[in-house]
Amino acid sequence: DAGVTQSPTHLIKTRGQQVTLRCSPKSGHDTVSWYQQALGQGPQFIFQYYEEEERQRGNFPDRFSGHQFPNYSSELNVNALLLGDSALYLCASSLGIQQETQYFGPGTRLLVL
Amino acid sequence: AQSVTQLDSQVPVFEEAPVELRCNYSSSVSVYLFWYVQYPNQGLQLLLKYLSGSTLVKGINGFEAEFNKSQTSFHLRKPSVHISDTAEYFCAVTLTQGAQKLVFGQGTRLTINP
Repeated sequence: DAGVTQSPTHLIKTRGQQVTLRCSPKSGHDTVSWYQQALGQGPQFIFQYYEEEERQRGNFPDRFSGHQFPNYSSELNVNALLLGDSALYLCASSLGIQQETQYFGPGTRLLVL
Repeated sequence: AQSVTQLDSQVPVFEEAPVELRCNYSSSVSVYLFWYVQYPNQGLQLLLKYLSGSTLVKGINGFEAEFNKSQTSFHLRKPSVHISDTAEYFCAVTLTQGAQKLVFGQGTRLTINP
């Protein structure tokens, strides 16, 4: 049973660039949520996708956008990167938007120079 | 809005000693409660969760937690820790109704000394 997978594992970008992170949910799951975890902090909710639509959004600027594909995989895009965007980006999946338990992937560590 | 406070940022203990990691939450509506563990350079792994029923919940790796509604707490305990328990532990809540997002505490770094 495949768990949540994310790619790439690590990424280095410079300020002003754009980045795309990818997530494949756990087998059978149809809901994907994205979280940002800054160093030494707890994860912060970015947004959630279900049925290819953004269903809920945290307190993140419009530079953060996403997409969900028909196979339930998802992308997180960040434009005009800032140094403060350096963090571990975590993807979590669940079965149905009302499902309370989320399963996390290993994350993508983004470093912005 | 919900919030979670983990009362200790770091907890050092000796191997085979008991440990308690404290978590308090704030919410005007009912919530579900979770503990996740994060080993170095890894993602989050679900340790245990409280949805309803018995207030004492058992999780993986010998951990357990007790939900106390009157004190809005969900403390994590283990009677005897091992070196392999060294990790960051996160308490989180989510609403019982509506689209789910997890609200996390700041984390507690558990360090086990031999």
